[in-house]
Amino acid sequence: ILNVEQSPQSLHVQEGDSTNFTCSFPSSNFYALHWYRWETAKSPEALFVMTLNGDEKKKGRISATLNTKEGYSYLYIKGSQPEDSATYLCAGASGGSYIPTFGRGTSLIVHP
Amino acid sequence: NAGVTQTPKFRILKIGQSMTLQCTQDMNHNYMYWYRQDPGMGLKLIYYSVGAGITDKGEVPNGYNVSRSTTEDFPLRLELAAPSQTSVYFCASSYEGSSYEQYFGPGTRLTVT
Repeated sequence: ILNVEQSPQSLHVQEGDSTNFTCSFPSSNFYALHWYRWETAKSPEALFVMTLNGDEKKKGRISATLNTKEGYSYLYIKGSQPEDSATYLCAGASGGSYIPTFGRGTSLIVHP
Repeated sequence: NAGVTQTPKFRILKIGQSMTLQCTQDMNHNYMYWYRQDPGMGLKLIYYSVGAGITDKGEVPNGYNVSRSTTEDFPLRLELAAPSQTSVYFCASSYEGSSYEQYFGPGTRLTVT
């Protein structure tokens, strides 16, 4: 089981603000890093799967970067909207087991 | 494709009762997982399976059992339910081709009283 940490634990922003949060994971034997969006009373849905150092992925106003050498990934949301309110989970998998370990998540609330 | 389906959606159990949570996927994924959602703790892995006939413990396996007789099905058995098992349970599946990105079922909300 990897040690995957996310920060901050929660974040309140105003509509229109841009925001970012961090996922850190062990850099040794890295295999993949996943980001999920988890809305209240629903199930998590995959946002990005990242495998290569320097990867940058984008989906609309949301983007993510990956640094496998130092063991971190950033998720960015540009111009936050109330519908972006959700918990954002990251999960890291190592080449040893391929079983992803989830961080505790960052809860984002966007106020209109 | 229905994806990952779970039944039941909700269940209330009395302390000491047993039940099975059903999980089925129709994507031919070889990996399947059971998680529980603990408040403020995200998702905790209970058990996982890398293929039919192969299962292994996750972080929090005590009080649970699983079996994987087919690729599609991965039931989770609760024996002697305890209040500490009150949670939302998610089943998920994945395969190597997507770098093990997980597809989640809708969840089962279980209350033990």
